[in-house]
Amino acid sequence: LAKTTQPISMDSYEGQEVNITCSHNNIATNDYITWYQQFPSQGPRFIIQGYKTKVTNEVASLFIPADRKSSTLSLPRVSLSDTAVYYCLRGGNNDMRFGAGTRLTVKP
Amino acid sequence: NAGVTQTPKFRVLKTGQSMTLLCAQDMNHEYMYWYRQDPGMGLRLIHYSVGEGTTAKGEVPDGYNVSRLKKQNFLLGLESAAPSQTSVYFCASSRLTNTEAFFGQGTRLTVV
Repeated sequence: LAKTTQPISMDSYEGQEVNITCSHNNIATNDYITWYQQFPSQGPRFIIQGYKTKVTNEVASLFIPADRKSSTLSLPRVSLSDTAVYYCLRGGNNDMRFGAGTRLTVKP
Repeated sequence: NAGVTQTPKFRVLKTGQSMTLLCAQDMNHEYMYWYRQDPGMGLRLIHYSVGEGTTAKGEVPDGYNVSRLKKQNFLLGLESAAPSQTSVYFCASSRLTNTEAFFGQGTRLTVV
């Protein structure tokens, strides 16, 4: 089963907006895109989920273009506490497979 | 609500020993998953279950067995532990395959 493709790492500074792009060329019709955040020594935590266009919640926005072959997680005004690994998953299958994720480091 | 609870949190095994990791969820979720995570790596799916009495293999099932006799519990067994199974194990559950998954706090297993 094809996983998603993300940058391995990204650096940012406090107060900046961070955009993490995920590629999922083989996305199926019934697949949703879900993002998780993981801090060291903790299990992943759900951030946001979407199917197409734009979804926004209190912590992030998710942009999915019409062809749905990619998606972008947007974190507004990041802080040091946003330093974590971010995973993009395409759902719809019964199993839930993670890729390597993107390690985001927020610097002061 | 406790959410997803994993037992134990830490364990050291000798090569060849067996053990069972317990995952319990109190959200009446249908789907449950077992993952392992090695240092600096992403999570790899070991086995999963889409409902009581059903299990299926994930990406790295060799050396592990699972059972889902009750809807709220998903057990992961190691019949003969090997050093290569030293890892952090995470359990998760979700209502449906496309819905938010909730993770346990992890079990750190060391096989010596």
